[in-house]
Amino acid sequence: EAGVAQSPRYKIIEKRQSVAFWCNPISGHATLYWYQQILGQGPKLLIQFQNNGVVDDSQLPKDRFSAERLKGVDSTLKIQPAKLEDSAVYLCASSSVGGSGNTIYFGEGSWLTVV
Amino acid sequence: AQSVTQPDIHITVSEGASLELRCNYSYGATPYLFWYVQSPGQGLQLLLKYFSGDTLVQGIKGFEAEFKRSQSSFNLRKPSVHWSDAAEYFCAVGVSGSARQLTFGSGTQLTVLP
Repeated sequence: EAGVAQSPRYKIIEKRQSVAFWCNPISGHATLYWYQQILGQGPKLLIQFQNNGVVDDSQLPKDRFSAERLKGVDSTLKIQPAKLEDSAVYLCASSSVGGSGNTIYFGEGSWLTVV
Repeated sequence: AQSVTQPDIHITVSEGASLELRCNYSYGATPYLFWYVQSPGQGLQLLLKYFSGDTLVQGIKGFEAEFKRSQSSFNLRKPSVHWSDAAEYFCAVGVSGSARQLTFGSGTQLTVLP
């Protein structure tokens, strides 16, 4: 079974530029998450989708971050304009259904450096 | 709101020695508890999880964890550490009915000496 796929793996951009990250979850997984992991910290949830609807985006900085999952499968996370403090790993994850008890599978992450 | 504390930022053990990584959580009811491992440049891999029932949970790679409600703890243990266990370990809590799924601790970096 293929895992959660993310691209690009690494990206370096200048502040105020834009960047987009793509995620393809495990086949059949209805729930998709984007987490932000700053160096030295644990991952923090940015947004959760159930199929193509947003379940929780309360921690997404909406003035610069946006995410979509138009067909309920792939998802894109965009940052525009980027700030230095956005340097982090962006982890995409998926699970078969919502609910806290189900296993969440993570991708390898997209590493962003803003200079 | 729920929270997770991992008191040890960095732990060093010798290969073959036993290991215990501490995790304390804060939540008013019975939580769902998880341990993940992250190797350099990699995503998070689930080691084990606790939902209910037996408080001693077995996971992959020879790891186990014990849920202690009275201490609000979910410590991770391994009787004999291998060099390949060097990585960062994250404890996480999930709460029933919440859309936020997992709240992570700040992680413990494990170094294994030959």
